[in-house]
Amino acid sequence: SQKIEQNSEALNIQEGKTATLTCNYTNYSPAYLQWYRQDPGRGPVFLLLIRENEKEKRKERLKVTFDTTLKQSLFHITASQPADSATYLCALDMNSGGYQKVTFGIGTKLQVIP
Amino acid sequence: ETGVTQTPRHLVMGMTNKKSLKCEQHLGHNAMYWYKQSAKKPLELMFVYNFKEQTENNSVPSRFSPECPNSSHLFLHLHTLQPEDSALYLCASSQEGLAADTQYFGPGTRLTVL
Repeated sequence: SQKIEQNSEALNIQEGKTATLTCNYTNYSPAYLQWYRQDPGRGPVFLLLIRENEKEKRKERLKVTFDTTLKQSLFHITASQPADSATYLCALDMNSGGYQKVTFGIGTKLQVIP
Repeated sequence: ETGVTQTPRHLVMGMTNKKSLKCEQHLGHNAMYWYKQSAKKPLELMFVYNFKEQTENNSVPSRFSPECPNSSHLFLHLHTLQPEDSALYLCASSQEGLAADTQYFGPGTRLTVL
């Protein structure tokens, strides 16, 4: 069966450290992988997209890797800040019948402790 | 107003009521989506509209009825719901509804069915 797993329900780290979130999937072949941030009671907000032929993508303090052999993406936040506390969603982005189909993971709740 | 808006933000209804959720996007996008987000579960795609045509119905019960009168507006009509339908209902839009598009989410409607 198809499955998306994000490493843990919650991750607590100290301010200034690097947070690493994991997304593993089985029985999917996404052409792209997206990461979103969701704050309580709000809709997800897009952060980064990485293509299947890209190994790494960076944006400011964020870095995403994508290994299609391992079927895994890692999401890193360097020099983490309390304002980075949120739930981070991994999303597999595929073409379905000519249209986009995005399948989301359950998310990892990150808490950055001052 | 910019982005994606949803009304109402909160809704409490009985199982025999009929209500509608409204979504409007001010981004000039051609694809719109309804998602359901329940506690401890990933976002579940419900319906997809591309250029006002429904292109995905993810086995959603008929007590949920979508309507897309134009590219900017999307409705979700609700009738005879069950308590397990209580969830956050999120609307999203994307430029062309193709893979690699960014999805822009509204703030959601928190629905409680009594």
